[in-house]
Amino acid sequence: QITLNESGPSLVKPTQTLTLTCSFSGFSLSTSGVGVGWFRQPPGKALEWLSLIFWNDDKRYNPSLRDRLTVTRDTSKNQVVLTMTNMDPLDTGAYYCAHRRNWNPNWFDPWGQGTLVTVSS
Amino acid sequence: QSVLTQPPSVSGAPGQRVTISCTGSSSNIGPDYDVHWYQQLPGAAPKVLIYGNNNRPSGVPDRFSGSKSGTSAALAITGLQAEDEADYYCQSYDSRLTNYVFGSGTTVTVL
Repeated sequence: QITLNESGPSLVKPTQTLTLTCSFSGFSLSTSGVGVGWFRQPPGKALEWLSLIFWNDDKRYNPSLRDRLTVTRDTSKNQVVLTMTNMDPLDTGAYYCAHRRNWNPNWFDPWGQGTLVTVSS
Repeated sequence: QSVLTQPPSVSGAPGQRVTISCTGSSSNIGPDYDVHWYQQLPGAAPKVLIYGNNNRPSGVPDRFSGSKSGTSAALAITGLQAEDEADYYCQSYDSRLTNYVFGSGTTVTVL
């Protein structure tokens, strides 16, 4: 059974850097074909894709946020870490990680329960 | 502003059939990319309902079905139940934006 769980600060100040950790079980990010995606959802708004990291350490980013995002993996800990710099109140919302399913295009299942991040001074 | 357009809301009585449209363009929903659908219950994470236009993962009731035609896709729910009240999102990929894209979301209300 695949499970994912996001963790990180619930409150960050404007201009600070957000660091979120996705801890997962039921798969290995060193196995060929595996990937983990990051997403976010502002309150009452639609989902937005942020990043995707693959088993071979290939990384993809949302072009509109590329300059602010970094994703890394720790295969020994079964974790993926997302950092987002220069946080703004508009970055407030729920942040999710999800397991990638190979298709054209990829789909994502299951998702973690999400972690709510508020950006405020 | 979402690249994929969905109606903000649809509603129906228990037992009825409702459909949710997802309208895109040739750079996303087209011959090159399939569409996936997610259900998001209140306060919960998204869960996939349909992948690859019309495939249901195991455990998803056959009341849910998907279709795609041209640059649009649709999710149909037949035999509407109270537990179907949720937000629904379509997802694809946009080759011009080089971005995974989601629809604007549709809230289903059971009357």
